[in-house]
Amino acid sequence: NAGVTQTPKFRILKIGQSMTLQCAQDMNHNYMYWYRQDPGMGLKLIYYSVGAGITDKGEVPNGYNVSRSTTEDFPLRLELAAPSQTSVYFCASNAGTARNEQYFGPGTRLTVT
Amino acid sequence: GNSVTQMEGPVTLSEEAFLTINCTYTATGYPSLFWYVQYPGEGLQLLLKATKADDKGSNKGFEATYRKETTSFHLEKGSVQVSDSAVYFCALDTGGFKTIFGAGTRLFVKA
Repeated sequence: NAGVTQTPKFRILKIGQSMTLQCAQDMNHNYMYWYRQDPGMGLKLIYYSVGAGITDKGEVPNGYNVSRSTTEDFPLRLELAAPSQTSVYFCASNAGTARNEQYFGPGTRLTVT
Repeated sequence: GNSVTQMEGPVTLSEEAFLTINCTYTATGYPSLFWYVQYPGEGLQLLLKATKADDKGSNKGFEATYRKETTSFHLEKGSVQVSDSAVYFCALDTGGFKTIFGAGTRLFVKA
C-alpha cells in the first residue's frame, strides 16, 4: 500500500494564479481531510469529506474548494492565490471510527509570491 | 466543545534525559486519545494511542496512559535520543467526523 500520496511536493505560485493539489489514498478510507500548517504552528482544518460526493467546510475554508468524485481522490483547488495561502498542506484519511488514527500524506509546500 | 491542551514548547533536553509532555483534554463521551509525531519535513504519523480509560499506549520507548479522572494523556520517555527531535501532537477523537489536535510541542534533544 502506498498509503496517502500528495502531489506536487513543492510549488511556487504568483498572486492570482490557481492550482490544484492532488491527494489520493489506497486504503479504501471513507473520511478524508485537508489541513494547512503555517510555520511553527499547528494544524488547521480546511475541508473534509465523509464519502464520495460529500464534503464540508472546516475552520479555514475561504479561498479553497474541494471535490470528492471517488473514494480514492480528494483534490484541493486554490483559486486566486494570495500570500496568506503560503503554507504546507497535508491531506489525511481515516477509516471512520474513533479508534482509528488518521494517516497523513507527506505534504505540499506552497509559496505564493 | 471538545478540545486538547498541551504544554507549550520548545522543550530542550540533553540526550538520555527523561521526557514528559503534558496533554489534557475536554470531551463529551469517551474519546480515543492519540499522540502523533512530525519529523522535520514530513507529515504526521501515529506514535501511540489509547481507546479507553486506564489503557496505556506505547511505542518506540514512548508511553502514555489514558487518565479519565484527570482528563490527561501525558507522553513520557525514559531516555530521549537526538533522533527523537520532532514536534509532538496530542489528539482526541470522539467518533465524529473530525479529530481534534493540540497545538503541538517541539522537542529538541542535544547530543
